[in-house]
Amino acid sequence: AQTVTQSQPEMSVQEAETVTLSCTYDTSENNYYLFWYKQPPSRQMILVIRQEAYKQQNATENRFSVNFQKAAKSFSLKISDSQLGDTAMYFCAFRGNFNKFYFGSGTKLNVKP
Amino acid sequence: EADIYQTPRYLVIGTGKKITLECSQTMGHDKMYWYQQDPGMELHLIHYSYGVNSTEKGDLSSESTVSRIRTEHFPLTLESARPSHTSQYLCASSPGTSGPQDTQYFGPGTRLTVL
Repeated sequence: AQTVTQSQPEMSVQEAETVTLSCTYDTSENNYYLFWYKQPPSRQMILVIRQEAYKQQNATENRFSVNFQKAAKSFSLKISDSQLGDTAMYFCAFRGNFNKFYFGSGTKLNVKP
Repeated sequence: EADIYQTPRYLVIGTGKKITLECSQTMGHDKMYWYQQDPGMELHLIHYSYGVNSTEKGDLSSESTVSRIRTEHFPLTLESARPSHTSQYLCASSPGTSGPQDTQYFGPGTRLTVL
């Protein structure tokens, strides 16, 4: 079975600084997809960034980038130039061949002014 | 934002009542999902559907039931609500392709409180 682990329940960062959220996963599949979702307080869950396992190049979306280490089964999210609007719960997710999504337990990020 | 809607957004109801949580999407997605999430906690998949007349139970056992008579509609029903059902319920959909485009889009959620 697939498992997704986020070992940081809560993190804080000062505005304009950089923060990295950790995620590890366990799977026996070779071809899969990884995602980071953001859930702001009382707001809708939205996709931040996704990575295809067969691509070695790390995905980047503006201030958000990932460090994908396939051998280590690690998929961390780096947020550069943190903004107050980045305050949210962040969920790491895995999707394998059977098209089911598995989510981690989430990391609560608080961006301080 | 994705076109996926949930109603009601908030519901407070007494024990023993029958409730239906509505979820609709206008994107023509084949796959739809229901998750249960306690505040600030992880998501637990309780039901999913890969298309019309297809429904499956998720990883977390739930007393709720679902139906998928139309592609765009995936309601969740609790026949007799109990305080243990108090939670947030998130609906999601995805295109059902095998590539990276098969990303889940989430509705705003229904926060259910059973007294």
